[in-house]
Amino acid sequence: QSVLTQPPSVSGAPGQRVTISCTGSSSNIGAGYDVHWYQQLPGTAPKLLIYGNSNRPSGVPDRFSGSKSGTSASLAITGLQAEDEADYYCQSYDSSLSGLYVFGTGTKVTVL
Amino acid sequence: EVQLVESGGVVVQPGGSLRLSCAASGFTFDDYTMHWVRQAPGKGLEWVSLISWDGGSTYYADSVKGRFTISRDNSKNSLYLQMNSLRTEDTALYYCAKDKDAGSWYQGIDYWGQGTLVTVSS
Repeated sequence: QSVLTQPPSVSGAPGQRVTISCTGSSSNIGAGYDVHWYQQLPGTAPKLLIYGNSNRPSGVPDRFSGSKSGTSASLAITGLQAEDEADYYCQSYDSSLSGLYVFGTGTKVTVL
Repeated sequence: EVQLVESGGVVVQPGGSLRLSCAASGFTFDDYTMHWVRQAPGKGLEWVSLISWDGGSTYYADSVKGRFTISRDNSKNSLYLQMNSLRTEDTALYYCAKDKDAGSWYQGIDYWGQGTLVTVSS
C-alpha cells in the first residue's frame, strides 16, 4: 500500500475544473520533498505532467496546474477536455522508506 | 530524441531468475540517474529501483530488496535489472525511465520506455 493516497476516481463534464489530491505525511510531502505528477493515457507509458510541485514541462498545456501545502499536494485540470481522460499519479520521496521513491495510489479521471 | 528500449521480459516460473535490459539513446547517459518502475496488470505504478549516474548509489523498494539488483554500463548506454527469487506478485510491465535533471534524482522522471512484460507463473 502506497504512503501517498489519492482518490480512486474523479469525474467532470467538458469545460469543468477537477482537482486530484495527494495526501502524504511528515516523512514525505510534509518533510519538504517535491511532488511530481504523471498522466498515463490508456495503453501508454506515463508522461511527466508537473514537476517540482507546480512546474510544467514544455508542451504541457497550462490547463494543468499543481500545488503543495503541508502534507498534501493537488493537481488541477481546468477546462476539462475529452483527451484528459486518463490515470494520474503523484510521486514524491519518503525518508522512512529504504527505497526513497514513492508513487501515489493513482486517480482515474473520467470526462462525462 | 530520447529513446529507452527495454528487453528481456518473458514467462518464468516462481523462484526463477531473469535479467532485464534497457538500451538508451538520445542523451548523455552517464549524466543521469535511471530507474525501473513496474505496473502490474490493471494496477498502479510501483517504483522498483534507481541507480545514480555513476553507479555509486542504488536504492530499492522494500518489495524487491535483496532479490533484485540494478546496474548500468555507461560504456554501452545500458541499464539492467537482475531479478532473482521471482514471485507471482512480480508479474508486471517493467518500465525503464530517466530522471529529469542531470546529477540528481529529485526532479521527477521525464522519459519512459514502452515497457517489457514479465510474467511469473507455473
